[in-house]
Amino acid sequence: GAVVSQHPSRVICKSGTSVKIECRSLDFQATTMFWYRQFPKKSLMLMATSNEGSKATYEQGVEKDKFLINHASLTLSTLTVTSAHPEDSSFYICSATGTQGPEAFFGQGTRLTVV
Amino acid sequence: RKEVEQDPGPFNVPEGATVAFNCTYSNSASQSFFWYRQDCRKEPKLLMSVYSSGNEDGRFTAQLNRASQYISLLIRDSKLSDSATYLCVVTLGGYQKVTFGTGTKLQVIP
Repeated sequence: GAVVSQHPSRVICKSGTSVKIECRSLDFQATTMFWYRQFPKKSLMLMATSNEGSKATYEQGVEKDKFLINHASLTLSTLTVTSAHPEDSSFYICSATGTQGPEAFFGQGTRLTVV
Repeated sequence: RKEVEQDPGPFNVPEGATVAFNCTYSNSASQSFFWYRQDCRKEPKLLMSVYSSGNEDGRFTAQLNRASQYISLLIRDSKLSDSATYLCVVTLGGYQKVTFGTGTKLQVIP
């Protein structure tokens, strides 16, 4: 299947700092990327959808100024958690669809811990 | 009504049993359907696509019922390694909108 690479896999940061998570499609062009967060023992929660070259569409209740999403190219989307707080600690996963077909392929996920 | 609904489970079944999951979707214009599997603390991985004619991959059979707007996943001869959360996924509008169900947890017991 297609490959989506997400980096970093784990990050620990101090409260008030910003963290950037990258999601790359390695062997296809990702026209649409999705960002999810997942709390322990809970389901995936869609945060936002981004189309290359356009502003991201955020789900209700997700602060767009807090979670900055950039999808400037067909192979890279980034999620920046600004002024992180302990309640932002979670598992963040990206997925992408595009030229590889209708399936969505996932990055490996990033476990963010804010201390 | 949620766009995609699944019974969260957990389904606890003995090894060798047959288990079936259903997933309903609300938008009749939905175009593509998939089942994903997610192991604990891992990212979801594509298990299989779901076609109108039904499709089978080894012990796994997926079916789509457009009239009733549901998809199903049947697992035969359950193995311990099948224990995971199974997510149904529905896409709309040329894959511009991908919606995940909340997942059904399966625990296969020795």
